[in-house]
Amino acid sequence: GAVVSQHPSRVICKSGTSVKIECRSLDFQATTMFWYRQFPKKSLMLMATSNEGSKATYEQGVEKDKFLINHASLTLSTLTVTSAHPEDSSFYICSARYSNYEQYFGPGTRLTVT
Amino acid sequence: QKEVEQDPGPLSVPEGAIVSLNCTYSNSAFQYFMWYRQYSRKGPELLMYTYSSGNKEDGRFTAQVDKSSKYISLFIRDSQPSDSATYLCAMSRSLAGNKLTFGGGTRVLVKP
Repeated sequence: GAVVSQHPSRVICKSGTSVKIECRSLDFQATTMFWYRQFPKKSLMLMATSNEGSKATYEQGVEKDKFLINHASLTLSTLTVTSAHPEDSSFYICSARYSNYEQYFGPGTRLTVT
Repeated sequence: QKEVEQDPGPLSVPEGAIVSLNCTYSNSAFQYFMWYRQYSRKGPELLMYTYSSGNKEDGRFTAQVDKSSKYISLFIRDSQPSDSATYLCAMSRSLAGNKLTFGGGTRVLVKP
């Protein structure tokens, strides 16, 4: 299957700082990428849909000023958690739309805010 | 009530047994149904994809969709220890946009 990478895989930051997470489709172009959040032993919650060249579409309850998404190219989307707080600690996973029905997921980024 | 319900498990089976997983959902608008496998601290991996009602088989995996009952199933035959993972069902209303709604996942443990 197609490959999606995320960087970093793990990050620890102090409360109040900002953290950027990158999502790259390595062997295909993705006009649409998705950002999810997953709590321990819980399912994936869609945060936002990222479209190349346009503003992201956020799900209800997700603060767009806190979770900044930039889809600058067909292979790269970034999620920036601004002014991070301990409650933002979570596993963040991106996916890239490969075809009409296939999404390929990245390996995830574990964010810990101290 | 959640849109998609899935028993969290854990479901423990001996090696070689059939693993039976299922999800129920409340929104009749869902048309596309997927099953993902997620190993610990990894991203989900697409296993099966089904459109509308019916059965689909791929190797040891069989997916079934019963839209009248709003019920989908995944069966894993001849289970192996490497099948131990969390299995997530997901569904979407349409292909456009591909917004997926996930179940909570069922943790499966296949014991050698």
